[in-house]
Amino acid sequence: GENVEQHPSTLSVQEGDSAVIKCTYSDSASNYFPWYKQELGKRPQLIIDIRSNVGEKKDQRIAVTLNKTAKHFSLHITETQPEDSAVYFCAASKAGGGNKLTFGTGTQLKVEL
Amino acid sequence: SAVISQKPSRDICQRGTSLTIQCQVDSQVTMMFWYRQQPGQSLTLIATANQGSEATYESGFVIDKFPISRPNLTFSTLTVSNMSPEDSSIYLCSVVGQTLVNGNTIYFGEGSWLTVV
Repeated sequence: GENVEQHPSTLSVQEGDSAVIKCTYSDSASNYFPWYKQELGKRPQLIIDIRSNVGEKKDQRIAVTLNKTAKHFSLHITETQPEDSAVYFCAASKAGGGNKLTFGTGTQLKVEL
Repeated sequence: SAVISQKPSRDICQRGTSLTIQCQVDSQVTMMFWYRQQPGQSLTLIATANQGSEATYESGFVIDKFPISRPNLTFSTLTVSNMSPEDSSIYLCSVVGQTLVNGNTIYFGEGSWLTVV
């Protein structure tokens, strides 16, 4: 089955700096890669996703890049703010996989003032 | 995105008892899933809730422990049976929604925080 690895497990940045979280996946048939943000005591919220037919997607301060050859994808947050502090999860699923998500282990992002 | 409601939102349960979690969606959805998130951990898929038929369980999860119902396209239940402290987790209902721009996208309900004592 699919295996998704996520690094780093914790990340501390200064407000205004950029943060990058990286994930690798094992199944070359995976074609959908969402990122979720989970604040303490709340459900995971979808913040951005990318499909295998594109290499990059941006939404304001958030971007995701995908390298299908290397089987890795990354989340980039620019101009970080304290409200970006949360746990971020990457995930992967594949066509024909019934939309089932395999999650990474999560990254605790802390944005310090 | 679909509005997904779960009940209960939180509960403290006695060891050996069972609890049923409900998931209600505001629109008909083809696919519904149940995930578990143990304390400080990532999310793990328990099963796919199939409308009108038995759920499809992932490796490590069995129907006797986690019976699931899906009577229609907007509702599902997950029962956590004969609970032990190891079942203390967040249980999340998930659905596949479709947007014109983004195609199939996966959303989560608010979660049910269970603590087994």
